[in-house]
Amino acid sequence: KNEVEQSPQNLTAQEGEFITINCSYSVGISALHWLQQHPGGGIVSLFMLSSGKKKHGRLIATINIQEKHSSLHITASHPRDSAVYICAAPPGETSGSRLTFGEGTQLTVNP
Amino acid sequence: NAGVTQTPKFQVLKTGQSMTLQCAQDMNHEYMSWYRQDPGMGLRLIHYSVGAGITDQGEVPNGYNVSRSTTEDFPLRLLSAAPSQTSVYFCASSYSSQGGYNEQFFGPGTRLTVL
Repeated sequence: KNEVEQSPQNLTAQEGEFITINCSYSVGISALHWLQQHPGGGIVSLFMLSSGKKKHGRLIATINIQEKHSSLHITASHPRDSAVYICAAPPGETSGSRLTFGEGTQLTVNP
Repeated sequence: NAGVTQTPKFQVLKTGQSMTLQCAQDMNHEYMSWYRQDPGMGLRLIHYSVGAGITDQGEVPNGYNVSRSTTEDFPLRLLSAAPSQTSVYFCASSYSSQGGYNEQFFGPGTRLTVL
């Protein structure tokens, strides 16, 4: 099993701030997932990345495979970004049937 | 496409009752899985399936059964409900049997309370 840890657990920001959420994992992998869980409970996939950086709108995800670390950044944060952000990793580099999830980071962006 | 659908959205059971949580997807995904989400814990895998007729246990399988008779459907059965099974249950699917390496599509969740 791949142990996945996220930090911080809770994050409060003012609208417009730059936000960083961190994720570290214990076993080498080839891909990592970032997910967003809305206040209503629905979960959507934001990114799946295996190297470098991916960008979608104001969201940027980076990964350093060697250091077993990934970050999710939100630029110019907005109250609608308030959600739980979850990272998840497969069990290893070659077996990908199962994901281990971090506990999530509760982000609140105040106007 | 409806994506991944789950029914019911809410359910209250008494200890000892049985029930089935339904999950269906219309994306022809091979890989389907059931997770439970509890406060202060990450999503935990209950059971998963890499294709019709093939299922396997996840991290927390006790008290739950699954079957996969078709590609589309993956029901989760609670055999004898216990208060410890109070949780939010999510079904997810992805394209191939390498589920960890494909984008996951989640259902809306079922909030289950066992009294």
